[in-house]
Amino acid sequence: DAGVTQSPTHLIKTRGQQVTLRCSPISGHKSVSWYQQVLGQGPQFIFQYYEKEERGRGNFPDRFSARQFPNYSSELNVNALLLGDSALYLCASRSVEGPQETQYFGPGTRLLVL
Amino acid sequence: GNSVTQMEGPVTLSEEAFLTINCTYTATGYPSLFWYVQYPGEGLQLLLKATKADDKGSNKGFEATYRKETTSFHLEKGSVQVSDSAVYFCALPVTSGTYKYIFGTGTRLKVLA
Repeated sequence: DAGVTQSPTHLIKTRGQQVTLRCSPISGHKSVSWYQQVLGQGPQFIFQYYEKEERGRGNFPDRFSARQFPNYSSELNVNALLLGDSALYLCASRSVEGPQETQYFGPGTRLLVL
Repeated sequence: GNSVTQMEGPVTLSEEAFLTINCTYTATGYPSLFWYVQYPGEGLQLLLKATKADDKGSNKGFEATYRKETTSFHLEKGSVQVSDSAVYFCALPVTSGTYKYIFGTGTRLKVLA
């Protein structure tokens, strides 16, 4: 089975622009989460979505938004990009059937803001 | 609140040396605990997990024991290889209202031939 997929793999934007990142979860997984990993640090939680509803949001400004589609794929949008938004953006999916707590991560989208 | 404290790196070892990466946590109750590994230029891969106290997770020669008395989940490997060079993250799930991981800061391991 395919793992979590993300697109694009790399992206270069300039300050003030907007960006959309995409994620497809593992087949059968209905929960998708987004994390931001700044160079040299651990990933920080941005959003969790389940059944197309936002179930949690981390300490990120309103410039960050996301949504989940009926097929459980997800998009992360960031408006008015700042230099500090340069990071690896990771998507993770999880099965909510039974006591499953393991999240499986995609390869990430590396965003550079100039 | 919930938190994870991970030993700082980088850790540099010779091939076949013994590895320990320390991880301690603060949490309500007894959550599962995870170790993830990140190879250069890649995302996170699940390395191992433990779902309850005294459990030992193991994978690819790595082991970690969930010790509630010391609130620790240290990662160990008896004989490291060059291919183990990566960044290792300890992770704690938080399930109040949402489901998310709290990660440690990561420990970079470099293994020399």
